[in-house]
Amino acid sequence: DTAVSQTPKYLVTQMGNDKSIKCEQNLGHDTMYWYKQDSKKFLKIMFSYNNKELIINETVPNRFSPKSPDKAHLNLHINSLELGDSAVYFCASSPTRGGAGELFFGEGSRLTVL
Amino acid sequence: GENVEQHPSTLSVQEGDSAVIKCTYSDSASNYFPWYKQELGKRPQLIIDIRSNVGEKKDQRIAVTLNKTAKHFSLHITETQPEDSAVYFCAAYGNTGKLIFGQGTTLQVKP
Repeated sequence: DTAVSQTPKYLVTQMGNDKSIKCEQNLGHDTMYWYKQDSKKFLKIMFSYNNKELIINETVPNRFSPKSPDKAHLNLHINSLELGDSAVYFCASSPTRGGAGELFFGEGSRLTVL
Repeated sequence: GENVEQHPSTLSVQEGDSAVIKCTYSDSASNYFPWYKQELGKRPQLIIDIRSNVGEKKDQRIAVTLNKTAKHFSLHITETQPEDSAVYFCAAYGNTGKLIFGQGTTLQVKP
C-alpha cells in the first residue's frame, strides 16, 4: 500500500544508453513531479504534471522526456545518458497544483552513469 | 527568479540542545513555507509548514517562525535527540508557481 512508488530503485548504466524510471501514486492526487537530487543533496524540480497536463518544465536537457499516461502515473525517459546525469531522481505527488501543499515523495531512484 | 538561501549548511549539537536553521527567500509574493526532513538514504518528508498569514507554528519539539518583512523564516528544534540527525530542507512557494528548495542543512545530534 505504498503511496508513491518508483522503479527501479537503483540503475547502473553506461554513457550513451537510454533508460526509464517509472512512478505511480495511489493517493488520488492530481499533480505529480520529478525532482533531481545531486551529490550535494540539492533538490531541484524538473517537471510537473497536473492531471496529465505538463505545467512545469524546467530548463533541463531535452534528452529528458516525461510522460504521464494518466494522473496516477508519471514516467521519466532519459536518452543518451551522460556522466552528469548521475543523481537520485525523486517522484512526488501533491493534492495541490504547483506545490503549495505537502509533497509526498517516492523512495527515489539512484542513477549511476559509468 | 525565486531564490531560497539556507544556513548553516552543517550543524552539530549535543543531545538535549536546541538547533536553529534559517532561510531567506527573494519572492515577496511567497505564501507557503514547508520544512522537509530527509534521513540518510530515505525520501524527504514534510515535518512542519507555515503560511504567510501566520507568524509562528509549533508542533511538539519543532517550531517555525516567519518574518514576512525581512523575508526570513526559521526552524527551531528543542531538546534534540539522535533521531533528529538528518538533512533539513526549507522551501518557499510563490509567484513562480513552483516550490523552491533551499540547499539543505545537515544536522548531527551527538549523544
